[in-house]
Amino acid sequence: DVLMTQTPVSLPVSLGGQVSISCRSSQSLLHSDGNTYLHWYLQKPGQSPQLLIYRVSNRFSGVPDRFSGSGSGTYFTLKISRVEPEDLGVYYCLQSTHFPWTFGGGTKLELK
Amino acid sequence: EVKLVESGGGLVQPGRSLKLSCAASGFNFNDYWMGWVRQAPGKGLEWIGEISQGSSTINYTPSLKDKFTISRDNAQNTLYLQMSRLGSEDTAIYYCARVGRQVFDYWGQGVMVTVSS
Repeated sequence: DVLMTQTPVSLPVSLGGQVSISCRSSQSLLHSDGNTYLHWYLQKPGQSPQLLIYRVSNRFSGVPDRFSGSGSGTYFTLKISRVEPEDLGVYYCLQSTHFPWTFGGGTKLELK
Repeated sequence: EVKLVESGGGLVQPGRSLKLSCAASGFNFNDYWMGWVRQAPGKGLEWIGEISQGSSTINYTPSLKDKFTISRDNAQNTLYLQMSRLGSEDTAIYYCARVGRQVFDYWGQGVMVTVSS
């Protein structure tokens, strides 16, 4: 299975600040079809995960442009600028290039 | 509005079976792969598997392939997860999700399964 390693595990932030979350995979996530299937989710307390970014850098419907994704191969980053209270929760990366699909361990974004 | 509603969870004894359902609405169910994900209490997310539109292809995570069975009824817009030989390690919230271009784009609210005597 592809191991997805997220860092940091916990990320204190001030409202209005900017943060980055990293996700590293044990194998390249470049698919034979030319796409890279690396996605980002936010799980707010008591809720199900919600899709933020798909295929590395594409914002899902309704996701503000404060969220941006980048990366290639085995290293990916999610950046959040001008952090707002509704951004707090646990962020997960997901790879769906290889079976079985695997998630990162999560990064908890919390207030300083 | 895409809506996914899981049901069928609860308390079950070790070694028993349980079948979860996921009712879909707000989109053409027949056009989409569907999948299941679970989350043990206080833990991360684990992909269980997925099923194609016509049920011809079903993929599972290897460790659960012999215990769990994914199926669907397109006439009823419903996805199922049959779980057998349940153990304490299967205690989790179970989510169904729609697969849109190889990503889970919409998720249900989840249903809790507790395996305990």
